[in-house]
Amino acid sequence: QKEVEQNSGPLSVPEGAIASLNCTYSDRVSQSFFWYRQYSGKSPELIMSIYSNGDKEDGRFTAQLNKASQYVSLLIRDSQPSDSATYLCAVGFQKLVFGTGTRLLVSP
Amino acid sequence: GAGVSQSPRYKVAKRGQDVALRCDPISGHVSLFWYQQALGQGPEFLTYFQNEAQLDKSGLPSDRFFAERPEGSVSTLKIQRTQQEDSAVYLCASSSPQEDGTSPLHFGNGTRLTVT
Repeated sequence: QKEVEQNSGPLSVPEGAIASLNCTYSDRVSQSFFWYRQYSGKSPELIMSIYSNGDKEDGRFTAQLNKASQYVSLLIRDSQPSDSATYLCAVGFQKLVFGTGTRLLVSP
Repeated sequence: GAGVSQSPRYKVAKRGQDVALRCDPISGHVSLFWYQQALGQGPEFLTYFQNEAQLDKSGLPSDRFFAERPEGSVSTLKIQRTQQEDSAVYLCASSSPQEDGTSPLHFGNGTRLTVT
């Protein structure tokens, strides 16, 4: 069983809609959670980190963490075509375990 | 430099050849990581350095893989007797503790290794 699970997608949303990306993890003692965005042929880029239960907002992005359910999500409001990329969920401290990523497609 | 620099950007090797991949981290970053990313997969941890000390090499897939960081800055990942299954993008990342206690990873653009 993979330690970090994501739906591979693609998740297709129209421009301006909310994109909801989900991730579950198996290690109950995990304390740090990250969302990375990876454009095709490029390196992962950190967009959000979250350490406590609840929501954390940064611009159009909101990360949500529920440690009891071992679940972390990323909401992207007012989705733009430039948001089209693969979103990687990562868990851990320094030595990160990544999911396989969810491909997001935002259509104009 | 402004970011993590990796070279070469692309490498084609014939099966059985040895390869060396270089990573130049962000200046002053203490921690350096190597990850392997196969097509359509997330990055997989290979090894981790803190300064020149290799603290974790549990992700190296075989004894053909070797990494070093002799002076605590530039790191080299060496793969001996390359096999086709070694074909992947090799990502280097560095980090340094922030004021908020976090240590976000900054990735380089990677080296795409193709073994023929």
